[in-house]
Amino acid sequence: AQTVTQSQPEMSVQEAETVTLSCTYDTSESDYYLFWYKQPPSRQMILVIRQEAYKQQNATENRFSVNFQKAAKSFSLKISDSQLGDAAMYFCAYRSILSNDMRFGAGTRLTVKP
Amino acid sequence: GAVVSQHPSWVICKSGTSVKIECRSLDFQATTMFWYRQFPKQSLMLMATSNEGSKATYEQGVEKDKFLINHASLTLSTLTVTSAHPEDSSFYICSEGNPSGSSYNEQFFGPGTRLTVL
Repeated sequence: AQTVTQSQPEMSVQEAETVTLSCTYDTSESDYYLFWYKQPPSRQMILVIRQEAYKQQNATENRFSVNFQKAAKSFSLKISDSQLGDAAMYFCAYRSILSNDMRFGAGTRLTVKP
Repeated sequence: GAVVSQHPSWVICKSGTSVKIECRSLDFQATTMFWYRQFPKQSLMLMATSNEGSKATYEQGVEKDKFLINHASLTLSTLTVTSAHPEDSSFYICSEGNPSGSSYNEQFFGPGTRLTVL
């Protein structure tokens, strides 16, 4: 079974600064999907960014980018120019090509200081 | 992206009663929906996969007789917590899996239902 590990329970960043959230995963599959989801206090899960494993190019969505290292099974999220609205729980998730279910990491709580 | 609604958003019930939570796909036909449970300050744990027109697939450790899932149509899946107990108090989230037009197989999540069992 695939496992997803987020080793940073909490992170803090100053407004306008850059922060990187770590994620590693374990799988024997060669192709899969990786995601970062944001869960604000409302608890609605919001997709931040996604990456397909066969694509070597790192995904980017405005201020959000990933560093995908397939051999190392690492998928970190970089948030540039952090804003107060970025404060939330961030979950890294793995989805197999073969199945539809998604596995989540334990989450990282991000605090943005004004 | 796809829009998923849940009802109710918050429910309080007495121990021993049953509670039904609805998950609706508002703009896609969802052959597969997922049910998650999230305890305070914890991650989402997959409970079961709901398949339209067939039996749900439960994760190991999830009691199928306690958490009844029905996916009778392509737009509605329901989770019934039977004989609820205080330890069933949690945040329940459904998601729509593999909607048409999604090339990355991302899931779209409902807003969740907070269940409190007294």
